[in-house]
Amino acid sequence: ETGVTQSPTHLIKTRGQQVTLRCSSQSGHNTVSWYQQALGQGPQFIFQYYREEENGRGNFPPRFSGLQFPNYSSELNVNALELDDSALYLCASTSSGSFNEQYFGPGTRLTVT
Amino acid sequence: GENVEQHPSTLSVQEGDSAVIKCTYSDSASNYFPWYKQELGKRPQLIIDIRSNVGEKKDQRIAVTLNKTAKHFSLHITETQPEDSAVYFCAASIGWSGNTGKLIFGQGTTLQVKP
Repeated sequence: ETGVTQSPTHLIKTRGQQVTLRCSSQSGHNTVSWYQQALGQGPQFIFQYYREEENGRGNFPPRFSGLQFPNYSSELNVNALELDDSALYLCASTSSGSFNEQYFGPGTRLTVT
Repeated sequence: GENVEQHPSTLSVQEGDSAVIKCTYSDSASNYFPWYKQELGKRPQLIIDIRSNVGEKKDQRIAVTLNKTAKHFSLHITETQPEDSAVYFCAASIGWSGNTGKLIFGQGTTLQVKP
């Protein structure tokens, strides 16, 4: 198991609401990436944070936003939830000494009704 | 745009047989190719990776090969066991020192190993 943790484990929200998901990186990891995994599909890149700055963004609308804190933990915020936002949200952290290897957290299962 | 194609989508083998999963990537600048195993309801787990300066890498029963010219890479599992049953994802990224590239994932292969 990796040292990456996420909260909450599961979440049910109503369309139009806002949600905040949290990720705690493995010790020594200063890069966090967020991915959305719809049922039966591969993860899709949302964005990445490196030393508290956004360092790349995938094809997701601005209502998906994020933060990284000085301790390298991170948040994913989604506004105006839509039914299609229902998915497993994964964060992955990378060590400063290993510029590619990404280790995933257990994910947050978001259901939008 | 960037794309990774993965085949087959499902693979069923008898215990002890070998399994091969193939991926093709579109961006010739990609230089890092990891493979993840995801069991039902669990996180993707990094099982092996290869960088573009290497053609083959092996770790016990698992091996990965890379053909940069053809933009193909493959996962080989030998002597399969029932616990190898899972969904396997390939991915490609462009990374460099001090910068972790985004991972572009394939669609996944569901591997079933029959006892």
